[in-house]
Amino acid sequence: QKEVEQDPGPLSVPEGAIVSLNCTYSNSAFQYFMWYRQYSRKGPELLMYTYSSGNKEDGRFTAQVDKSSKYISLFIRDSQPSDSATYLCAMSAYSGNTPLVFGKGTRLSVIA
Amino acid sequence: KAGVTQTPRYLIKTRGQQVTLSCSPISGHRSVSWYQQTPGQGLQFLFEYFSETQRNKGNFPGRFSGRQFSNSRSEMNVSTLELGDSALYLCASRTGTEGSQYFGPGTRLLVL
Repeated sequence: QKEVEQDPGPLSVPEGAIVSLNCTYSNSAFQYFMWYRQYSRKGPELLMYTYSSGNKEDGRFTAQVDKSSKYISLFIRDSQPSDSATYLCAMSAYSGNTPLVFGKGTRLSVIA
Repeated sequence: KAGVTQTPRYLIKTRGQQVTLSCSPISGHRSVSWYQQTPGQGLQFLFEYFSETQRNKGNFPGRFSGRQFSNSRSEMNVSTLELGDSALYLCASRTGTEGSQYFGPGTRLLVL
């Protein structure tokens, strides 16, 4: 079993839809959770950074962490064509000195 | 504040050659990590340097090596290139005391 599992998609939604992206993980030591967005031929861009369980909201983006289920989610409200990208989840056990473990990414297309 | 920069952006090499990639982190960031990204394997961690010392290492052969200089700039070297080394090589920096990493645009390496 891989440490981090993420459905690769592709996921195609109409403009304005609510998008739900998810990752599951197996390592109960993970405490720090991140979501990155990667446009084609670009480096990943940090979207959300959360610690432990709970929700965090930033504009149209909401990150949720459920450590009891080892499950994290990213919700995108009022999706736009500019949100079309690959979304990667990442996580680590400690704050600053352990490597991030990434999911393989979910490719999202928002159709106008 | 300037972001992470990587040079060169594109590179074509032949099997057996060696290559050196360069990364300049965000000012003030002391940690630099390197990742290999391929469509099949996703983002795979190569190694991390912090204050000129290798702090973490992924599961790659010894042909992959790196170093970090006193100004936090880092280089990655791949010797005896193989066709399977064709990938996007990403560099990411962080302060070293917190988890979120910031990525550069990557170097796309093609091995013929």
